[in-house]
Amino acid sequence: EVQLLESGGGLVQPGGSLRLSCAASGFTFSNSGMNWVRQAPGKGLEWVSSVSGSGTSTYYADSVKGRFTVSRDNSENTLYLQMNSLRAEDTAVYFCAKDARSGGSCYDNWGQGTLVTVSS
Amino acid sequence: DIVMTQSPDSLAVSLGERATINCKSSQSVLYSSNSKNYLAWYQQKPGQPPKLLIYWASTRESGVPDRFSGSGSGTDFTLTISSLQAEDVAVYYCQQYYTTPLTFGQGTKLQIK
Repeated sequence: EVQLLESGGGLVQPGGSLRLSCAASGFTFSNSGMNWVRQAPGKGLEWVSSVSGSGTSTYYADSVKGRFTVSRDNSENTLYLQMNSLRAEDTAVYFCAKDARSGGSCYDNWGQGTLVTVSS
Repeated sequence: DIVMTQSPDSLAVSLGERATINCKSSQSVLYSSNSKNYLAWYQQKPGQPPKLLIYWASTRESGVPDRFSGSGSGTDFTLTISSLQAEDVAVYYCQQYYTTPLTFGQGTKLQIK
């Protein structure tokens, strides 16, 4: 059974930093592209970032480019999102999600999410 | 960026009746080399992460009840629930994965009438 467990969320002041983690199990982690998707309170889904299975290719939404960095440790089956220069508009539940087995960048498994609140 | 627009924003349907949600992309998500539409549908219930229902516009994910179906091509897509069940109350999102930035529709809230 695929499991994705996010951690690292919390309350941070504007301009601060956080590092989110997503521990993966139940599949061959290094073979799967991984993604971060966020959802502001009461709002819709917003893609944040993606990383290839090897970690060599990364992609970002314009809203986070230059501030967030996605990475992965395939030896530890863990996905990361380093978030710097946080803004109030980054407040959201952050989900990690796995690329679908079927191919293409839709997501067949999601974690439960971790809440990031940016506020003074 | 490809803008995904869903209609309606909310929908109330009687139990056992058909529910139809539309999704329109601002440009085609049909990849000509493989004839696949890079379009997915998700269901999200309160307090839960999204769940993949449909990918390649019309392929049902394993374990998804066959009352859920997807159709369409190019820029216009539809999610149909043939006979609404109480457990189908949720927000439904379409997503294009043709190109980055990957984008979602704004969501359609489905309720029981």
